Amino acid sequence: GAGVSQSPRYKVAKRGQDVALRCDPISGHVSLFWYQQALGQGPEFLTYFQNEAQLDKSGLPSDRFFAERPEGSVSTLKIQRTQQEDSAVYLCASSPGASGYTGELFFGEGSRLTVL
Amino acid sequence: GENVEQHPSTLSVQEGDSAVIKCTYSDSASNYFPWYKQELGKRPQLIIDIRSNVGEKKDQRIAVTLNKTAKHFSLHITETQPEDSAVYFCAAKRSGGGADGLTFGKGTHLIIQP
Repeated sequence: GAGVSQSPRYKVAKRGQDVALRCDPISGHVSLFWYQQALGQGPEFLTYFQNEAQLDKSGLPSDRFFAERPEGSVSTLKIQRTQQEDSAVYLCASSPGASGYTGELFFGEGSRLTVL
Repeated sequence: GENVEQHPSTLSVQEGDSAVIKCTYSDSASNYFPWYKQELGKRPQLIIDIRSNVGEKKDQRIAVTLNKTAKHFSLHITETQPEDSAVYFCAAKRSGGGADGLTFGKGTHLIIQP
């Protein structure tokens, strides 16, 4: 596709449910990032992949959050036992450069998660 | 880790006037400073960026200035137009060292009054 694609765009979960959010980056992009954006706030870094390797997961808020990119392309962010404070927009971004690259991040439209 | 502060949180200007948004950062090793524009319900999109080896960069009506000594950078939009209405985020990053994620400010909601 032409850009970063995320699905689902909207997800409503009951507290305690598990959710999985998918990101399809721009083809050939080495780097993939997940960000969490709460209402009225800036995106906050969650985790970073270079190809299939998860090089930085320092932003994941708890061990209920797990991300993978097994073949170096599509990535999935999984949240187990969702809680109300997990409600946010989850943004995926990709870039063509490897670790240390400073350049444009291409963001997806985001997945808006609402936990009831 | 890096901390980015952004001001103001809301800025209302008359169409045709200039708008200035200011950011400060804490990590002196940061060397890349992008600005992203996010329209309501849309993805953030890069509008301009600056690296630490220059003090100013301009692209048509948009300019960014960087003061490394003071650790602050600013976005300047001249001759504002209705389509400039959006939320603007500054960010900072250092290359290498395992700090691969951008650290964003909390955003400035720019409102262009007709």
